Amino acid sequence: DVKVTQSSRYLVKRTGEKVFLECVQDMDHENMFWYRQDPGLGLRLIYFSYDVKMKEKGDIPEGYSVSREKKERFSLILESASTNQTSMYLCASSLSGLVMQETQYFGPGTRLLVL
Amino acid sequence: QKEVEQNSGPLSVPEGAIASLNCTYSDRVSQSFFWYRQYSGKSPELIMSIYSNGDKEDGRFTAQLNKASQYVSLLIRDSQPSDSATYLCAVLPGRRALTFGSGTRLQVQP
Repeated sequence: DVKVTQSSRYLVKRTGEKVFLECVQDMDHENMFWYRQDPGLGLRLIYFSYDVKMKEKGDIPEGYSVSREKKERFSLILESASTNQTSMYLCASSLSGLVMQETQYFGPGTRLLVL
Repeated sequence: QKEVEQNSGPLSVPEGAIASLNCTYSDRVSQSFFWYRQYSGKSPELIMSIYSNGDKEDGRFTAQLNKASQYVSLLIRDSQPSDSATYLCAVLPGRRALTFGSGTRLQVQP
């Protein structure tokens, strides 16, 4: 079974803090993704990576950065947390970009509260 | 116009009935289509994927795709209370990352 793990289930931070969210997958997947999910807005893509040290902006990258130094690990960084970044953050991975291999598997999510 | 549109619901059906969930998408180059189920407080899990026009059946679930109309649907036969969840439609447009709809909440009444 594919396993995607996230470092924290719940996180409380203060405005202005630097926040790191870690994601690890154990299936040698090429692609990794970070989404945030807010009521009524669905899942919105923040960043994704299709190879080590490669990254692409998603639909809402502002205020975020990412790091992928190893294939299995993809980190989301909030440089200076703000209250509008309070959300559920979901990490996902997929095998490759080829058709029929792009099924995304999700981690359990991190619920972040910024005070 | 949103790239992937779904009725937010809730869609309420009685136990044993057929639940029909619909999704439209705007990007004509989309090749792959997915339905995810998400229980409250949990992460999405894949139910079905479909790539060709027509129907694809898996147990009580049937996905239907019509690329000409840019329409994909999910039918759940013999609905059970355990099917109560939010169903997310996702498409793969001209990039490697999925685009999700905002989801339809399904309630199956015992």
